[in-house]
Amino acid sequence: AQTVTQSQPEMSVQEAETVTLSCTYDTSESDYYLFWYKQPPSRQMILVIRQEAYKQQNATENRFSVNFQKAAKSFSLKISDSQLGDAAMYFCAFSGSARQLTFGSGTQLTVLP
Amino acid sequence: DAGVIQSPRHEVTEMGQEVTLRCKPISGHDYLFWYRQTMMRGLELLIYFNNNVPIDDSGMPEDRFSAKMPNASFSTLKIQPSEPRDSAVYFCASSLIAVLSTDTQYFGPGTRLTVL
Repeated sequence: AQTVTQSQPEMSVQEAETVTLSCTYDTSESDYYLFWYKQPPSRQMILVIRQEAYKQQNATENRFSVNFQKAAKSFSLKISDSQLGDAAMYFCAFSGSARQLTFGSGTQLTVLP
Repeated sequence: DAGVIQSPRHEVTEMGQEVTLRCKPISGHDYLFWYRQTMMRGLELLIYFNNNVPIDDSGMPEDRFSAKMPNASFSTLKIQPSEPRDSAVYFCASSLIAVLSTDTQYFGPGTRLTVL
């Protein structure tokens, strides 16, 4: 069974600064996908970024980028130039051969003006 | 596309009543997932379908829970009888794996269920 661990229950960042959210996972599979989802107070689950395990290049979406370390089973999210609208709960998630998502416990990000 | 549609958005019911949650996946998607989110247990998968066929229902907590997908455009999650511990946010998600093989799931807005 896969497990996903987010060791930071809460993080805060100053507006316009950079913050990194950590995620580690455990799996015996070699082909899988990793995701970061954002959940604002509206409760909507919003896809932030996706990484395919077979790709060595780290995924990037505008101000969001990941540091994917396959051997270490680490998948951190970096948010650059943080904005007030980035405040939310962030979930790391794993999808393997079973096609279902396994989520971490989440990191609550606060953006300070 | 309108995205994944769930109804109702909020449901308040009394213990013992039947509750039915509804989901319309994104058109053309071949996988549909039901998740439950609680403070204690976080996000957990209840059941998922591939081409309208249930594939894995091991996450369904007990026989009071049942799910159906009569066609590619509609799925229901039913709780009968409901109990206070069923209070949670229930999410439906869909994905297109057969063709794109990306495993990306798109979520609906969720249904907040409160059982009194």
